[in-house]
Amino acid sequence: DIQMTQSPSSLSASVGDRVTITCRASQGISKSLAWFQQKPGKAPKSLIYDISSLQSGVPSKFSGSGSGTDFTLTINSLQPEDSATYYCQQYNDYPITFGQGTRLEIK
Amino acid sequence: EVQVVESGGGLVQPGGSLRLSCAASGFIFSDHYMDWVRQAPGKGLEWVGRIRNKARSYTTEYAASVKGRFTISGDNSKNSLYLQMNSLKTEDTAVYYCARSGRGGYSPIDVWGQGTAVTVSS
Repeated sequence: DIQMTQSPSSLSASVGDRVTITCRASQGISKSLAWFQQKPGKAPKSLIYDISSLQSGVPSKFSGSGSGTDFTLTINSLQPEDSATYYCQQYNDYPITFGQGTRLEIK
Repeated sequence: EVQVVESGGGLVQPGGSLRLSCAASGFIFSDHYMDWVRQAPGKGLEWVGRIRNKARSYTTEYAASVKGRFTISGDNSKNSLYLQMNSLKTEDTAVYYCARSGRGGYSPIDVWGQGTAVTVSS
């Protein structure tokens, strides 16, 4: 199985800041990398697929980059509503696997 | 509007069975891969399994933790996806999400349902 490791596990940032979350795959996953946002008590929301493509309706403050085994999610101009847990996921091979999540707190 | 809505969750005893349903609307159900993803209380997301689309003969894939116990199926006439869960264990307790994925190849999830809670307990 492909292991997905996110860092950090949690972080705190201020309104207006930019943050970066990292996701590392245990082996190459081509471009099959997605990011999801989940707020407490809510279903996940799809943000990014194929490393850097935004899902429909997702604001451009979210961006993804990377290649091979190392990927990043960047969130610009943080707002209180960005407080959530963020997950990466690989869909290059079965079983599909998620990272353990990164909890983002807005101070 | 593209939408998927789960139902069928509840309390079941260990060793019991439960069938979850997912009603799809706003898109051609048979065109898309569909996934089940679960989340145990206080834990992260865990992929459960996938059914491919008509073009891929509705073949399925499962996580090792549920293979042989869970079965994913679909009914195009009802635009519905199902998750038949047998031999349930306490560790299957989770919120189960239905999700729509792409049309083939390497398909990412793009639409999620609101989830249905399953509790396995005596």
